[in-house]
Amino acid sequence: NAGVTQTPKFRILKIGQSMTLQCTQDMNHNYMYWYRQDPGMGLKLIYYSVGAGITDKGEVPNGYNVSRSTTEDFPLRLELAAPSQTSVYFCASKRGGGVVEQYFGPGTRLTVT
Amino acid sequence: GENVEQHPSTLSVQEGDSAVIKCTYSDSASNYFPWYKQELGKRPQLIIDIRSNVGEKKDQRIAVTLNKTAKHFSLHITETQPEDSAVYFCAARGGGSQGNLIFGKGTKLSVKP
Repeated sequence: NAGVTQTPKFRILKIGQSMTLQCTQDMNHNYMYWYRQDPGMGLKLIYYSVGAGITDKGEVPNGYNVSRSTTEDFPLRLELAAPSQTSVYFCASKRGGGVVEQYFGPGTRLTVT
Repeated sequence: GENVEQHPSTLSVQEGDSAVIKCTYSDSASNYFPWYKQELGKRPQLIIDIRSNVGEKKDQRIAVTLNKTAKHFSLHITETQPEDSAVYFCAARGGGSQGNLIFGKGTKLSVKP
């Protein structure tokens, strides 16, 4: 199993541009998450999904959108990028809704200038 | 909603000494408390977790204690080694139907040889 994979690893965007961060997991996990990690801060939940076709907002959803058309994929869309969205983005997944481990992807480092 | 406070933000110890990191949480319905280790430029990885029906859990040199009455939990690392140097995050699984993780801001541990 590759686990949770993310692309790209690095990206530089200009203000106002848009992009999609890709996340794929091959563990047949129902739950998937997008977090952002700012320097010196913990992880903040952007969006999450409990299964294909179901998504919901986390703590910091503004400026982002998600979709979940398959169990494996959970892309994060940035529209009209702003400098405040400069961060490291982590995708994570877990098997079910109970008390089980979340597995993280390697992260995408995004800079908006 | 849930709020997690983590202290200290930085911790420096000599190799062989013990390290203790403390977290407090606000939601008395929280029932799961994982600890993640994040090495520089890497993804967070689960090192130990504890559920609310247990007061202490140990795995080799690391242990976690939970005081539900006081709503705090701690990570203990004994006989620290240079490879323990990393940022450590605590988290709490909040109450509510989805039970998402809320993370502390992290503790940067430096182990000096």
